Amino acid sequence: GAGVSQSPRYKVAKRGQDVALRCDPISGHVSLFWYQQALGQGPEFLTYFQNEAQLDKSGLPSDRFFAERPEGSVSTLKIQRTQQEDSAVYLCASSTTSRRDTLGDIQYFGAGTRLSVL
Amino acid sequence: GENVEQHPSTLSVQEGDSAVIKCTYSDSASNYFPWYKQELGKRPQLIIDIRSNVGEKKDQRIAVTLNKTAKHFSLHITETQPEDSAVYFCAASRADSWGKLQFGAGTQVVVTP
Repeated sequence: GAGVSQSPRYKVAKRGQDVALRCDPISGHVSLFWYQQALGQGPEFLTYFQNEAQLDKSGLPSDRFFAERPEGSVSTLKIQRTQQEDSAVYLCASSTTSRRDTLGDIQYFGAGTRLSVL
Repeated sequence: GENVEQHPSTLSVQEGDSAVIKCTYSDSASNYFPWYKQELGKRPQLIIDIRSNVGEKKDQRIAVTLNKTAKHFSLHITETQPEDSAVYFCAASRADSWGKLQFGAGTQVVVTP
């Protein structure tokens, strides 16, 4: 079966433009995570969905960042009025986790979208 | 919140030697500790994980140890091969967090033939 798919793989935006990044999780996976990975750093948590519900958005850096998963499968991360500091790789991951007190389930990552803001 | 520190940032080893990467975490409620391997431009891939009810886990040439008292965990790769060259990330998640991961900064491993 297919893994986590992200598109586009690369995105160049002029400062001030809006961008939308797409994530197709593994079919049937309840949980979906977005992470931001700056060059040479580990991924940083942005937001979490359980089905269509956004249960944690504590990692979103500003109100310019918005994520949705309206039907509980595909998710979109939108960044409005992009700025140079938004340049990073945006990773999506999915897992079967569905309990708050999880013992931890494997997160499967996509290849990411590399965003460059000029 | 959770803070995960990872050392060293770079590691160069001769083929056939062992490699060890160490991570410490700050949140005593953390209970899940995965290790990911990421090759340049590729997706992070899980190579091994350990839960807080276990002290050690091994999978062929890869092993992970966990010391809950000291709040540190380590990745051990034996008989290294050139294809082990990559960036390795440790991570931790705590109970009641829906599984969100806090990552270390990564270790660049270079295995020279």
